[in-house]
Order: sequence, then C-alpha cells, then structure tokens
Amino acid sequence: NAGVTQTPKFRVLKTGQSMTLLCAQDMNHEYMYWYRQDPGMGLRLIHYSVGEGTTAKGEVPDGYNVSRLKKQNFLLGLESAAPSQTSVYFCASSPRRGRVAGELFFGEGSRLTVL
Amino acid sequence: GQQLNQSPQSMFIQEGEDVSMNCTSSSIFNTWLWYKQDPGEGPVLLIALYKAGELTSNGRLTAQFGITRKDSFLNISASIPSDVGIYFCAGPGGSQGNLIFGKGTKLSVKP
Repeated sequence: NAGVTQTPKFRVLKTGQSMTLLCAQDMNHEYMYWYRQDPGMGLRLIHYSVGEGTTAKGEVPDGYNVSRLKKQNFLLGLESAAPSQTSVYFCASSPRRGRVAGELFFGEGSRLTVL
Repeated sequence: GQQLNQSPQSMFIQEGEDVSMNCTSSSIFNTWLWYKQDPGEGPVLLIALYKAGELTSNGRLTAQFGITRKDSFLNISASIPSDVGIYFCAGPGGSQGNLIFGKGTKLSVKP
C-alpha cells in the first residue's frame, strides 16, 4: 500500500545548485501534481500532468521544470535553486472522473531548504 | 485564476466543542472534497461529496454539498485534541478539470 512516494524527504541546497524531486505512484492514476506549501499560503500548484508525456503550468511555475516520461512518475526539477524556493513540496495523484480530476492522494512531503 | 474562499482562517476551541467551517466558490462545482493535514504530514482525504444537497458523515465529521453547488460545509462534533490540524476544501475548478484548494482552516483544540 505505498500510494504516493516522494524522495528525498529532506534536502538542503546552496543557492544556484540544482536538484530533482521524484514522485512515484502505484495507483495507476492519470493526473499528477506538484504543490508547494508555505506558511499562511495554503497549497499552491506548481505544475501538473493529465497523462503520460504531458505537463502543464500551475499557479507558481517559475523556477521549476517537470517531466512525466512514465505514467507512474512525476519529476520536479530546480535548475538553479533560490532561497525563495525554500518550502515543503507535496506530490499528489488522482484518477480521472469523467472530464475532471477525482480525489487527490498526497505524498508525505519533501522539505527543501535553500541557503 | 479561480479561487475558493475558505473560512474561518483559524479557530481556537475548547475540547468538546463543535466546529463549523465553510468554503465558497464563484462557479458551480460538481464535486467538493475536504482534506485534513496533520502537522508535518501530507493532506488526507476526509470526505468526498458528489451531489448537490448531499450530506455525508465520517465519524464525528459531517460535510454538506450546498444546494447552490457553490459552497460546502464541514462540521466536527465534540472536538478532541487529535482534531488539531489544517482543514482544506477542494473542487475541480482549475484548467483541464484539476482540483483547486482553499487556503485552509487551522484548528487548535485546547484540552
């Protein structure tokens, strides 16, 4: 019963470094998402994917890139990390229900600190 | 972009009290979802609503899909310390039908 798994759980980066967060889901879901959560800001959508090979920008996409080469994986990349990207990142997946997304299932989060 | 207005932003209550929170949208939804996030963890789905007027319970939690289809309500009865966390509402209001979230209601329960 893995559900949605995120790696790594914690990471500290220096400004300008790059890194990739990996999300894997074993529920055969069509939709996958990356959110960031900052105090008082709720969950803000960075990028999302409605299927393998497709990605789209969310509310706060700048400074991030994503790829969905396989249906079960959704990668979030930071090419040149900035202190403003210090946050907790959540991956989520959901099944398709008709023309819209169904309920989201979240990972446990990845806490990123950029010094 | 479209937003969900969730209120109140925070609540400080005494153990045993009942809690009510709500979420409103500027457009009609065909689904309302309520999530809870425990400190240090990812949000977990509490209740899903799929029909206007629907009233669904999950233990001490009860959620309702508003008749106008533009709002939803979550009630917690007889609160206990483990109810502490952030409660989010969500609905399929984003582009391509993806979910959007309210900013959350942070609940604190005093023993």
